[in-house]
Amino acid sequence: DAGVIQSPRHEVTEMGQEVTLRCKPISGHDYLFWYRQTMMRGLELLIYFNNNVPIDDSGMPEDRFSAKMPNASFSTLKIQPSEPRDSAVYFCASRLDRAFTDTQYFGPGTRLTVL
Amino acid sequence: AQSVTQLDSQVPVFEEAPVELRCNYSSSVSVYLFWYVQYPNQGLQLLLKYLSGSTLVKGINGFEAEFNKSQTSFHLRKPSVHISDTAEYFCAVSDRSAGGGNKLTFGTGTQLKVEL
Repeated sequence: DAGVIQSPRHEVTEMGQEVTLRCKPISGHDYLFWYRQTMMRGLELLIYFNNNVPIDDSGMPEDRFSAKMPNASFSTLKIQPSEPRDSAVYFCASRLDRAFTDTQYFGPGTRLTVL
Repeated sequence: AQSVTQLDSQVPVFEEAPVELRCNYSSSVSVYLFWYVQYPNQGLQLLLKYLSGSTLVKGINGFEAEFNKSQTSFHLRKPSVHISDTAEYFCAVSDRSAGGGNKLTFGTGTQLKVEL
């Protein structure tokens, strides 16, 4: 089975531009998570979905950030407008709904650079 | 709320030597504990997790960790490391509630560098 797929792997954009990051979870997984990794703050949970419904978005830093999951096989994280401090690696992860202690499987990440 | 402290940001070690990566946590409730590994330019992979039962947990690639409730620690060990173990290692915690279990709190990571 393919793992979690993220695109693009690298994104370089200019301040003020809209950025859209994409994630395809492992087929059959019910939960999807978006994380951000920076040197200063480490790895932080931004938002997670269960059966395509956002459950907890308390980690989303600002209104400039939004996430959607229109169906079970696709999610987006959008930043509009982007700022240099948004530069980070963004990870998507997914897991089954058998138990919340089940393993979260991470994608390879999208490295975002905002100039 | 929980927090995780990984005191060592970098740990250099020679190949075939033993290694211990330290992790301490703080929580007002019972927790689950995890160790993840991140190889360069890759996502995180689960090494092992402690849910309940035996305090000694064995994971993949020869790693093990011991849960010590009194010291609130969950140190990761390997008796003999290999060059391929060079990576960043993250300790993580979640509380045992149904909602909290989805929210992993990660430490800042320990970079393990294995040298010849």
